Amino acid sequence: ETGVTQTPRHLVMGMTNKKSLKCEQHLGHNAMYWYKQSAKKPLELMFVYNFKEQTENNSVPSRFSPECPNSSHLFLHLHTLQPEDSALYLCASSGGLANTEAFFGQGTRLTVV
Amino acid sequence: KNEVEQSPQNLTAQEGEFITINCSYSVGISALHWLQQHPGGGIVSLFMLSSGKKKHGRLIATINIQEKHSSLHITASHPRDSAVYICAVPPNSGYALNFGKGTSLLVTP
Repeated sequence: ETGVTQTPRHLVMGMTNKKSLKCEQHLGHNAMYWYKQSAKKPLELMFVYNFKEQTENNSVPSRFSPECPNSSHLFLHLHTLQPEDSALYLCASSGGLANTEAFFGQGTRLTVV
Repeated sequence: KNEVEQSPQNLTAQEGEFITINCSYSVGISALHWLQQHPGGGIVSLFMLSSGKKKHGRLIATINIQEKHSSLHITASHPRDSAVYICAVPPNSGYALNFGKGTSLLVTP
């Protein structure tokens, strides 16, 4: 248990569906991240939020829409996804800078059919 | 971007063996992270180090800042050590880490 909780753990969705991934941390961290991990590839940064403000969007398609209502919660809203979007989506949090320890959630295994 | 190279990509060892995983990076950094990812997907931070050596149980991490190189050692390996080990370094700017592709370790009984 790392203190970062992601739900759901597994998700299968059709290309026309709309779904949301949720991430929650009560570690008092200010920075939260969404990462995508595809098979045989390194972790890819998608979004960074610091103090609820989006600080990085790593050229992510608009079919992925993040939301950070407060420092403890982070959502990733999904709509009209493609099969190639199937991957493990990991949430992480940290004290705020890259040189502080990052804590990761268990991930959501997403399959788009 | 700080390029991170890990070796080997895949590693199979017998229980009890001493294991070394290497990480090299291209741009000087102030700290380096070693992470462990089990088959279920979750990632756990093992070490964050900026110089010298750190030890936690059977795991030892070393870093040579001048040579831009770090190693992760596992002594007396055990099947439960089977996982993907990932090296990560800070970016030139921004908050998020740059990750290596990972080393997939399988320890057989």
